[in-house]
Amino acid sequence: VQLVESGGGLVQPGGSLRLSCIASGFDFSRFWMSWVRQAPGKGLEWVANIKEDGSEKKYVDSVKGRFTISRDNAKKSLYVQMNSLRVEDTAVYYCARVGHQEVFGYNWFDPWGQGVLVTVSS
Amino acid sequence: DIQMTQSPSSLSASVGDRVTITCRASQSISSYLNWYQQKPGKAPELLIYAASSLQSGVPSRFSGSGSGTDFTLTISSLQPEDFATYYCQQSYTAPLTFGGGTKVEIK
Repeated sequence: VQLVESGGGLVQPGGSLRLSCIASGFDFSRFWMSWVRQAPGKGLEWVANIKEDGSEKKYVDSVKGRFTISRDNAKKSLYVQMNSLRVEDTAVYYCARVGHQEVFGYNWFDPWGQGVLVTVSS
Repeated sequence: DIQMTQSPSSLSASVGDRVTITCRASQSISSYLNWYQQKPGKAPELLIYAASSLQSGVPSRFSGSGSGTDFTLTISSLQPEDFATYYCQQSYTAPLTFGGGTKVEIK
């Protein structure tokens, strides 16, 4: 089971960037997927989730209206389109599979990709 | 939003010590609580899910307990590879939230 992110880099405030995550080793279409970020030297922050078929999406308030999570199950790929980027969006962005337990609905992030750095700076 | 508060924020311990980390939720989250370990420059790894279930492949010296608002991660005998930062995370409701982390350092 592996997740590999790409697409990070340096972007100016107000700019856009699209991150990708390619999955392998599991049936991608059967899992919710997430993006989680970590600002330099800081803790973890959940960013967004997407349902198995892409029909349901959830976002943290700070990115609503600016970020869009999407997926392509045929390509086993997860994406996040990030627009109107702010300095405070600077972080390592991780792609993570959402594991779940059917009976009680417990869920968790496992595994995680290696992460990709997004730097928003002028 | 549900706030997750970890304590302590850091601790120093020796190999072989028993270590306990606490996580408190701002409202009841039943057993919707996960624990992760993160080493410098690496992605987090799942240790415990549903408050007390050990993830496959994780050593049995790690254990989790609690329900409602108060949770504990225990390392029964600290090993050199356990020096890392530990995070709790609630999966009860969106937005999913993490504790601020507990850094376990070598004494």
